[in-house]
Amino acid sequence: DGGITQSPKYLFRKEGQNVTLSCEQNLNHDAMYWYRQDPGQGLRLIYYSQIVNDFQKGDIAEGYSVSREKKESFPLTVTSAQKNPTAFYLCASLSGTGKNYGYTFGSGTRLTVV
Amino acid sequence: EDQVTQSPEALRLQEGESSSLNCSYTVSGLRGLFWYRQDPGKGPEFLFTLYSAGEEKEKERLKATLTKKESFLHITAPKPEDSATYLCAVHSGYSSASKIIFGSGTRLSIRP
Repeated sequence: DGGITQSPKYLFRKEGQNVTLSCEQNLNHDAMYWYRQDPGQGLRLIYYSQIVNDFQKGDIAEGYSVSREKKESFPLTVTSAQKNPTAFYLCASLSGTGKNYGYTFGSGTRLTVV
Repeated sequence: EDQVTQSPEALRLQEGESSSLNCSYTVSGLRGLFWYRQDPGKGPEFLFTLYSAGEEKEKERLKATLTKKESFLHITAPKPEDSATYLCAVHSGYSSASKIIFGSGTRLSIRP
């Protein structure tokens, strides 16, 4: 079945450490997105990519970096510059046409600073 | 500024007690309004996309409606398994700068 796979499900980061969250899709969607979800808040956009080798900053890009070398993959790196990284991270792709136009989400990665 | 507001923040219902969740929006050029269901610790699951005022869509006990300023998610005779957070999102604009904005969600709890 087509979908989005995020890994790992849980991730622990030490102070000053960079960590990378994986996002892979087999839906053949061009556009991919990273969101951060904190309790009681809506999803906030970190980065998005509409085509391979191109990406744009979202509303809260500081302390994060991404790459888009392949259509299927859109990894997110949480750098040591992100001062409050503990959150639930969601990757999504966007189907731009058809009656089910909208996001397909992965199952998320919960990142905790230890 | 584009904005999406969901109400109430939390709603507790008895099994079988019908109700509605509200999503009000202020955007420049509505491209689509989405409803998602999210269970704890999981990614949001797609429910509906609405495109224009007057449109309605149904799925089992859920029915979504859209006006020019808001959308309602009606839940008829809910069951405990309908307990989840329901997210509303709006896609505004048709240019390359178009964006999708999420509301903060409504936490729905159905008591048996």
